Amino acid sequence: QVQLQESGPGLVKPSETLSLTCTVSGVSVSSGSFYWNWIRQPPGKGLEWIGFIYYIRDTNYNPSLKRRVTISADTSKNQFSLKLNSVTAADTGVYYCAGHLKTSGYYVHWGQGALVTVSS
Amino acid sequence: EIVLTQSPVFQSVTPKEKVTITCRASQSIGGSLHWYQQKPGQSPKVLIKYASQSTSGVPSRFSGSGSGTDFTLTINGLEVEDAAAYYCHQSDRFPYTFGQGTRLEIK
Repeated sequence: QVQLQESGPGLVKPSETLSLTCTVSGVSVSSGSFYWNWIRQPPGKGLEWIGFIYYIRDTNYNPSLKRRVTISADTSKNQFSLKLNSVTAADTGVYYCAGHLKTSGYYVHWGQGALVTVSS
Repeated sequence: EIVLTQSPVFQSVTPKEKVTITCRASQSIGGSLHWYQQKPGQSPKVLIKYASQSTSGVPSRFSGSGSGTDFTLTINGLEVEDAAAYYCHQSDRFPYTFGQGTRLEIK
């Protein structure tokens, strides 16, 4: 059974870097079968795809965030991570890690979500 | 970027009612459209994959249809537990995008 769990600071100051980690169990993050994604949801609003990593180092980012985003993987800990720099209040929200099969684009596996607030 | 427009944005409905939510894509996405249900404080859960395919464990009252640019999620015989937000999502082209959501309130 595949499970995902987000972790990281819940409060980040404006202009600093938001860092979150997703710990995966039940499958290896180095598996070529899965794309590992980050998705976010501002309070009371809809879902926004941030990007994904696959085959450990190949990435694809949302152009709207590409200049500020880095997604990486740590196979020794079976984790993948999100870094979003130069944050503002508009980056406040719940951040989800999620996985989908390489052969299908829908998300079956989700973390429970991590609320990140950008505030001084 | 493919824009997905859902309607309605909000609907107040009574149990046993039939509910229809539509999702329109700004360009053709074939059948690469998926539907999710999100209850307050929870992660989204996939209901329908590839426009019309059911997913494991989802009640049969949920169904989907459509292709190209116009898609529909139907709930036949709404139940109280269906109070939630519903999102469509396209995986045809990058960046992946979601509809703005439809919130269902049970009267």
